[in-house]
Amino acid sequence: SQQGEEDPQALSIQEGENATMNCSYKTSINNLQWYRQNSGRGLVHLILIRSNEREKHSGRLRVTLDTSKKSSSLLITASRAADTASYFCATVNTGGFKTIFGAGTRLFVKA
Amino acid sequence: NAGVTQTPKFQVLKTGQSMTLQCAQDMNHEYMSWYRQDPGMGLRLIHYSVGAGITDQGEVPNGYNVSRSTTEDFPLRLLSAAPSQTSVYFCASSYSKPQGARYNEQFFGPGTRLTVL
Repeated sequence: SQQGEEDPQALSIQEGENATMNCSYKTSINNLQWYRQNSGRGLVHLILIRSNEREKHSGRLRVTLDTSKKSSSLLITASRAADTASYFCATVNTGGFKTIFGAGTRLFVKA
Repeated sequence: NAGVTQTPKFQVLKTGQSMTLQCAQDMNHEYMSWYRQDPGMGLRLIHYSVGAGITDQGEVPNGYNVSRSTTEDFPLRLLSAAPSQTSVYFCASSYSKPQGARYNEQFFGPGTRLTVL
């Protein structure tokens, strides 16, 4: 079964608004990553947060991690039409080499 | 650098046929992996390799074989294709194991769309 579960499954917002996506997981992790996938393309890495970190920023992206709740959130501020894509969280378990992906959140940003 | 390349881009097979999906990277990455992505789902790990000569199974290995004779190449073999293997296949690579201190991100290829009739 997949480790990460994203919420919501789909999100539609206006350009300029913020978009928040959540990810929950089941077991202890070494790190958690967020990826973006444009339609019909491969995945592109956005940001990685390690289990001993609580928050990380990269440009318009902000990721938080709560290991006690086994959850993470990705915030995209001031969204643009070009942010329209699917966003996936991926977890790497402690003691393993496998990266496990969730089912993703489809984000649609209306111009 | 070409990054991660995959061939072919599209393939149609008949049930029972075999084929090899090619994956190559020119970044001297230690870690390589194969995923499949079905409609509306995330990626599921098929096989992975932590270096030349070393491979291991992921979440959904049945029906697939891999080998890693060089650092650059990581082919995926479908032994006897079944309609359930219709999917988009992605190859990815990274500098080190996902837990490693140097680990940063996986680089993905453009994918191979496979249809099994």
